[in-house]
Amino acid sequence: KNEVEQSPQNLTAQEGEFITINCSYSVGISALHWLQQHPGGGIVSLFMLSSGKKKHGRLIATINIQEKHSSLHITASHPRDSAVYICAVRSVSGGGADGLTFGKGTHLIIQP
Amino acid sequence: GAGVSQTPSNKVTEKGKYVELRCDPISGHTALYWYRQSLGQGPEFLIYFQGTGAADDSGLPNDRFFAVRPEGSVSTLKIQRTERGDSAVYLCASSRPKSGANVLTFGAGSRLTVL
Repeated sequence: KNEVEQSPQNLTAQEGEFITINCSYSVGISALHWLQQHPGGGIVSLFMLSSGKKKHGRLIATINIQEKHSSLHITASHPRDSAVYICAVRSVSGGGADGLTFGKGTHLIIQP
Repeated sequence: GAGVSQTPSNKVTEKGKYVELRCDPISGHTALYWYRQSLGQGPEFLIYFQGTGAADDSGLPNDRFFAVRPEGSVSTLKIQRTERGDSAVYLCASSRPKSGANVLTFGAGSRLTVL
């Protein structure tokens, strides 16, 4: 079973700061997802990565397959970015679960 | 529909009762997933459907949990003899036909409270 670890668990920063959230996993994967969950809200998929880097607006996601590590970056952070950010991985198929394995999430608060 | 719809959004029930949670995926999405999220935790995989069949039900915690998707669209998660530990948000997600990794679209979840 893949073990997914996220750090930090909690992060409070000031508006405008550059934010980095990390995710590491233990077993080879076919894809990694970064998800955003607002308080009381549903989950929104931000990125799906299998290699390299993706950018969408102020969000950047990178993955290093060899090191089994991914980062989510937020530039020019804003209070509306406050949410829980969850990393989820899909392990390389081999008869095991086809579902995602989720990290516990990083609770981000951006203060004005 | 435009998104993944889950009903009910909230369900309060008594211990020992039977509960059904419904998920209506995005039209054309053949892959459907059920997850469970307890307070302060990341979601936990329960079961995955590809079409009408349960391709992977290894995440179902015990035989009180069962899910169906008879026509390959709407899915129902069924919980028998509910226990207080079943209280959680039950999330459904769907994606396009399995061809490599696909982006998931999540529903808003069904919050189950077992008293």
